[in-house]
Amino acid sequence: ETGVTQTPRHLVMGMTNKKSLKCEQHLGHNAMYWYKQSAKKPLELMFVYNFKEQTENNSVPSRFSPECPNSSHLFLHLHTLQPEDSALYLCASSQAQGARLGYGYTFGSGTRLTVV
Amino acid sequence: SQQGEEDPQALSIQEGENATMNCSYKTSINNLQWYRQNSGRGLVHLILIRSNEREKHSGRLRVTLDTSKKSSSLLITASRAADTASYFCATDADAGNMLTFGGGTRLMVKP
Repeated sequence: ETGVTQTPRHLVMGMTNKKSLKCEQHLGHNAMYWYKQSAKKPLELMFVYNFKEQTENNSVPSRFSPECPNSSHLFLHLHTLQPEDSALYLCASSQAQGARLGYGYTFGSGTRLTVV
Repeated sequence: SQQGEEDPQALSIQEGENATMNCSYKTSINNLQWYRQNSGRGLVHLILIRSNEREKHSGRLRVTLDTSKKSSSLLITASRAADTASYFCATDADAGNMLTFGGGTRLMVKP
């Protein structure tokens, strides 16, 4: 365990379903991130939260809706997804936002999402 | 956004051999990080090297940074089958002060 826990590990959903991914960290980190990892593509940053406030939305379609109720929890709400949204969704946290500060990211194990 | 680019994309070696992976980037950086990802799992932070450092060691890992060539290398010495994974470099070169990742090198170490 890395200290960042993601649930569920696997999720199969239909295009009309609504589901949520959950991420939890108790590392005392203040920044949390959602990444999408598709086959043969670099990691794509989706959303960034710093002290519970969203600071980055990387042009993500509105069918993905993040929620950060506190610094320890991050959700990704999914609705009316497309098959091309099938991917590994990774949550990460760091002590602070700002890559130039040089803090490493701690990643969860990811949720393998399949949209059918 | 700026990304590091790893080279080679895939590498296959025998156990006990050394593995070298390279990362190139395009604009100036403050630091560069290396991560490992086992198949279907999350990324694990391996090592960070700052722009004023040229070399860093951690166990069997050796990272070098050449800011004049905008490149970094990760050397794994005396490789083991358990080192089989994808390795990613990440830089802070993004204008938005975000960590951006390259496409990774897939390393296979055969027993």
